Amino acid sequence: SQTIHQWPATLVQPVGSPLSLECTVEGTSNPNLYWYRQAAGRGLQLLFYSVGIGQISSEVPQNLSASRPQDRQFILSSKKLLLSDSGFYLCAWGRSPGEKLFFGSGTQLSVL
Amino acid sequence: DQQVKQNSPSLSVQEGRISILNCDYTNSMFDYFLWYKKYPAEGPTFLISISSIKDKNEDGRFTVFLNKSAKHLSLHIVPSQPGDSAVYFCAARGSNYKLTFGKGTLLTVNP
Repeated sequence: SQTIHQWPATLVQPVGSPLSLECTVEGTSNPNLYWYRQAAGRGLQLLFYSVGIGQISSEVPQNLSASRPQDRQFILSSKKLLLSDSGFYLCAWGRSPGEKLFFGSGTQLSVL
Repeated sequence: DQQVKQNSPSLSVQEGRISILNCDYTNSMFDYFLWYKKYPAEGPTFLISISSIKDKNEDGRFTVFLNKSAKHLSLHIVPSQPGDSAVYFCAARGSNYKLTFGKGTLLTVNP
């Protein structure tokens, strides 16, 4: 069966510090991978998606970047965090574009 | 521009009664709709979906209804249970195959 792992579960970072969130998927190959953010009182906003190694599409101009160094690994990064980067970050995978997504357990990021 | 709208931020129902969660959309090109359930500090989990060629899909206590002419879908939970208390997200797939999510509705089922 397929599983998705996302860590850490919670993170408190000072403004201006770097960020690296990692997500890995097991039990499938060539998944479509996604990073979403849920800010307080808002829905799920798509940040990045990837259909293959090294292929990243950005949905929203922002202070964040994503990379996919391996088929089942997706990384969300920032060089300098802003207060507005606080939120609940979710990694997800799908078998093909537009199909239902399977989400990780999320990372609650607080930038202080 | 919010293409998927869940206008009720919260809903409270009694255990055993029906819960009806609503979702409206504006993009007539959406062809596939999904409902997700999310507990605090966890990722959303898939509940049920419906293709635009259907008007109803049922899975146990969960039924999704789609009214294309009104661009409206709803999720019915019967009977509601306290464990159903969670945030419910509606999502829709567009011609670019991306899923667009609503802001969610917090359902509270009271014992």
